[in-house]
Amino acid sequence: DAGVIQSPRHEVTEMGQEVTLRCKPISGHNSLFWYRQTMMRGLELLIYFNNNVPIDDSGMPEDRFSAKMPNASFSTLKIQPSEPRDSAVYFCASSLSDPEEEQFFGPGTRLTVL
Amino acid sequence: GQQLNQSPQSMFIQEGEDVSMNCTSSSIFNTWLWYKQDPGEGPVLLIALYKAGELTSNGRLTAQFGITRKDSFLNISASIPSDVGIYFCAGRARGSNYKLTFGKGTLLTVNP
Repeated sequence: DAGVIQSPRHEVTEMGQEVTLRCKPISGHNSLFWYRQTMMRGLELLIYFNNNVPIDDSGMPEDRFSAKMPNASFSTLKIQPSEPRDSAVYFCASSLSDPEEEQFFGPGTRLTVL
Repeated sequence: GQQLNQSPQSMFIQEGEDVSMNCTSSSIFNTWLWYKQDPGEGPVLLIALYKAGELTSNGRLTAQFGITRKDSFLNISASIPSDVGIYFCAGRARGSNYKLTFGKGTLLTVNP
């Protein structure tokens, strides 16, 4: 069975450009999470969706960040405009309908903003 | 907010040795989780703990939920080269059914 799929795996962009990260959760999973991983701050939850509805976006750093989940099989995380401090690895994770169920992580997108 | 202190930050050991790492929290958690992350991959759940005092094994891995509910440890026995990676603890506080707080990780290197 396919796990969580993320694209692209690597993204290098220049400051000020728009960046869109994509995620396909595991089929049948109704909870979706976006995390950011940096050396300084570790793994941080950015936003949590349940049944395609954003439940908690308190971890989204600022208005430059936005996330959508138009359907149960697709989510995007957008940064506009990007800044060098956004450089990090961004993970998408999904779990069954109960969010306390195990979260399965995707392979991540390594973002570098020059 | 909640903070998790994970130690050690890194370990360099010889194949066959046992390993121990731990996490302490500034607040009480209802769930403790241990993950492993391989290079270029996302974290994978190793062990989940749900009750204070609980001791759970998964092969050569053993983890315990501290009785104070503010700490947890992970032991790896008879380490092998494929144990190399970053190990993370994570906790879930009461009333937070989805939000995990992660430790900063322990980088484990195993010398064959």
